[in-house]
Amino acid sequence: GAGVSQTPSNKVTEKGKYVELRCDPISGHTALYWYRQSLGQGPEFLIYFQGTGAADDSGLPNDRFFAVRPEGSVSTLKIQRTERGDSAVYLCASSLIDTETQYFGPGTRLLVL
Amino acid sequence: KQEVTQIPAALSVPEGENLVLNCSFTDSAIYNLQWFRQDPGKGLTSLLLIQSSQREQTSGRLNASLDKSSGRSTLYIAASQPGDSATYLCAVRRMDSSYKLIFGSGTRLLVRP
Repeated sequence: GAGVSQTPSNKVTEKGKYVELRCDPISGHTALYWYRQSLGQGPEFLIYFQGTGAADDSGLPNDRFFAVRPEGSVSTLKIQRTERGDSAVYLCASSLIDTETQYFGPGTRLLVL
Repeated sequence: KQEVTQIPAALSVPEGENLVLNCSFTDSAIYNLQWFRQDPGKGLTSLLLIQSSQREQTSGRLNASLDKSSGRSTLYIAASQPGDSATYLCAVRRMDSSYKLIFGSGTRLLVRP
């Protein structure tokens, strides 16, 4: 595809449930990033992948959050035992290398009831 | 810790007006600074990127300036149009972790016809 795609676009779940959010980066981009954006705020960094490995996961808020990128392309952000405070827009971005412009996907809007 | 602040939080102007959006950051050791546009329910679109060695960048009706020593950047929009209505975000990359974007909270711009 031409840009970064994210699925689902919207996700409603109940407190305590498990969710997976998917990101398809631009083909050939080795760097992939996850950010979280709360209402009225700018995006906050969660995790950065270089290839298959998480080079920096310092932004993950706690151990309920985990992300993988097993083949160096698609990435999945996994949230266990969701809480209402996890409700936000989760944005994915990719770049050719980590110093280049990041291209953002449309985001997944997660609502935890 | 790098903090990014944007003022004003919201701005409403009549069509045709020239306007300035402000961004300030607390640590001048930045790799670059980037301005993004975000439309409701959409991802982020990169508008302008200024490297730390540069003073300004221009694209069409947009001009962004950077003053590292004072920790400030401005985005100038000339002859505003209703289609410019969106949230504008600035983000900096630190020298020591240049892959990570640190965002301000954004300025919500409404250009009235």
